[in-house]
Amino acid sequence: DVLLVESGGGLVQPGGSLRLSCAASGFSFSTYSMIWVRQAPGKGLEWVSYISSTSGTIYYVDSVKGRFTISRDNARSSLYLQMNGLRAEDTAIYYCGRPLQGSVDYWGQGTLVTVSS
Amino acid sequence: IVMTQSPVTLSVSPGERATLSCRATQSVRSNVAWYQQKPGQAPRLLVYSASTRVTGIPARFSGSGSGTDFTLTISSLQSEDSAVYFCQHYDAWPFTFGPGTTVDIK
Repeated sequence: DVLLVESGGGLVQPGGSLRLSCAASGFSFSTYSMIWVRQAPGKGLEWVSYISSTSGTIYYVDSVKGRFTISRDNARSSLYLQMNGLRAEDTAIYYCGRPLQGSVDYWGQGTLVTVSS
Repeated sequence: IVMTQSPVTLSVSPGERATLSCRATQSVRSNVAWYQQKPGQAPRLLVYSASTRVTGIPARFSGSGSGTDFTLTISSLQSEDSAVYFCQHYDAWPFTFGPGTTVDIK
């Protein structure tokens, strides 16, 4: 079975950094693109970043460009999101996911990032 | 591309039909997905390519539409269908979600 497990969330001060990880299993990770989607508490969903299977294509939503970096380690079946310059508006549950034609057919359970002083 | 959804909240009796609408500010062809999200859970993909139901999703869920107007229909609402439903386009980056429709059971 496909399993995605996020980790690395927590409480961080404004301007701080966090690195999220997503451990994947149950499928051939190296052949799939991967994504990060976030959801602010009680709010809707926002697609944050996309990375192709070979890391050759990467996209970011405008609000995180220059601050967040998506990466992957196919040998470890792991996805990462390095988040720098965190702001209060980055507070959200961050989900990693596996795309299906641009939709997301598998989601992790999410990891909560709280940016507050 | 901005996705809008209507209504914001829909109250439907068990066994009745629920019709959820999603509109894009420009054509997204058939590149639309629908998700169901229950409290404390990650979203669950129901439909992609506007009308292709995911394996294992009950047949009472169906999607339709193309271009700018899309519909998710729940043909006979069950109590377990109480949730928030989001549409999402993936025609061009940035992919965006609609704000959601909350379906309540009367």
